[in-house]
Amino acid sequence: DADVTQTPRNRITKTGKRIMLECSQTKGHDRMYWYRQDPGLGLRLIYYSFDVKDINKGEISDGYSVSRQAQAKFSLSLESAIPNQTALYFCATSDTGVYEQYFGPGTRLTVT
Amino acid sequence: AQTVTQSQPEMSVQEAETVTLSCTYDTSESDYYLFWYKQPPSRQMILVIRQEAYKQQNATENRFSVNFQKAAKSFSLKISDSQLGDAAMYFCASGGRSNFGNEKLTFGTGTRLTIIP
Repeated sequence: DADVTQTPRNRITKTGKRIMLECSQTKGHDRMYWYRQDPGLGLRLIYYSFDVKDINKGEISDGYSVSRQAQAKFSLSLESAIPNQTALYFCATSDTGVYEQYFGPGTRLTVT
Repeated sequence: AQTVTQSQPEMSVQEAETVTLSCTYDTSESDYYLFWYKQPPSRQMILVIRQEAYKQQNATENRFSVNFQKAAKSFSLKISDSQLGDAAMYFCASGGRSNFGNEKLTFGTGTRLTIIP
């Protein structure tokens, strides 16, 4: 079984809808991250959490919110989806004091 | 703030040949880590190789090696004996270590590598 899982893997939604992307991990890592990937822009950090009570904005947090329900679960929400949020979204984890990040399989989100 | 630049959006190489992907970075941290990640068509992000900035020796993982030039802030990836399975997008990333507990990474924009049979 995969160490970092994301659901759904693909999603098409309409402008204005609320959508939640979920991430779960079995690696026992404290650190969790949400990125979006756009062609030509690489991966950009949306939010990150260093433990259950610590949540921080990344470089592109506008229009997104997160919830860290447990050490193993970190959800990303789009309160009112817009077309320019169409992207590939990744969840990642890392161990405390370690910079290597381990990624989930990604969620392809399309907002029409 | 850290920046990572990959100036080659696309590259191609003949199967079995050697190719080098370029990456430059800018950081104010005295201690940091550098990484290359691979993203094949499956879109899974896979760690290829890591380099600790305090180590002078270049990291090597089988056919993958890096040329780490600290003064020039350059971190290139060399793939030897290229194989069809190496076709992917490659991302360079850096993470600073000024504050323990601040393990964020900054990614470059990626280089798409095509392997020509």
